[in-house]
Amino acid sequence: SYELTQPPSVSVSPGQTARITCSGDALPKKYAYWYQQRSGQAPILVIYEDSKRPSGIPERFSGSSSGTMATLTISGAQVEDEADYYCYSTDSSHNQRVFGGGTKLTVL
Amino acid sequence: EVQLVESGGGLVQPGGSLRLSCAASGITFSSYWMRWVRQAPGKGLEWVASIKEDGSEKYYVDSVKGRFTISRDNAEKSLYLQMNSLRAEDTAVYYCAGMSTTDRERDYWGQGTLVTVSS
Repeated sequence: SYELTQPPSVSVSPGQTARITCSGDALPKKYAYWYQQRSGQAPILVIYEDSKRPSGIPERFSGSSSGTMATLTISGAQVEDEADYYCYSTDSSHNQRVFGGGTKLTVL
Repeated sequence: EVQLVESGGGLVQPGGSLRLSCAASGITFSSYWMRWVRQAPGKGLEWVASIKEDGSEKYYVDSVKGRFTISRDNAEKSLYLQMNSLRAEDTAVYYCAGMSTTDRERDYWGQGTLVTVSS
């Protein structure tokens, strides 16, 4: 079955840039989506179609994709950005959707 | 205001069945791909199933194929998940979520309903 691979954790100091990667064989052909999930809450979409930012999401959130890797970048991370982040995409056959294992972002 | 409200969760014995429902409001439901996503206690998100706007296409994660059925009623703006032959590993919070076909920015989630499979 198709898999998306993320680092389990990323840690930065406030104001630094946090980068979270997501690797998958189908990413050259399929969009990546990124979700933020704070403790005890439902996920929120922060990046869609690789690099587009929904309205209401701070400009410090950006996304990119190159080859088999998608990247979520948080420029000038804030304490309130501490959360779990998940990438989400589809396999090459369009049938299977999948989440990455999630990355716990610590900002302190 | 957009709302997705799940219901139907609870405690069920292994081998039992449960039907989850998700009532949508504030969106043009018939223009949304809908899906169920679950999260086991302390674990990550797992996609469970998706259904096209008109119900003509349905997709499932391998671990639930043949046991779970996703369906929708666009007139009632409702999404369903029929879960049969439940196993302990199906224990999770089940989220209903939808993404607009025409504007992928429009992505909404419910608050989830807990399903516990235990004897």
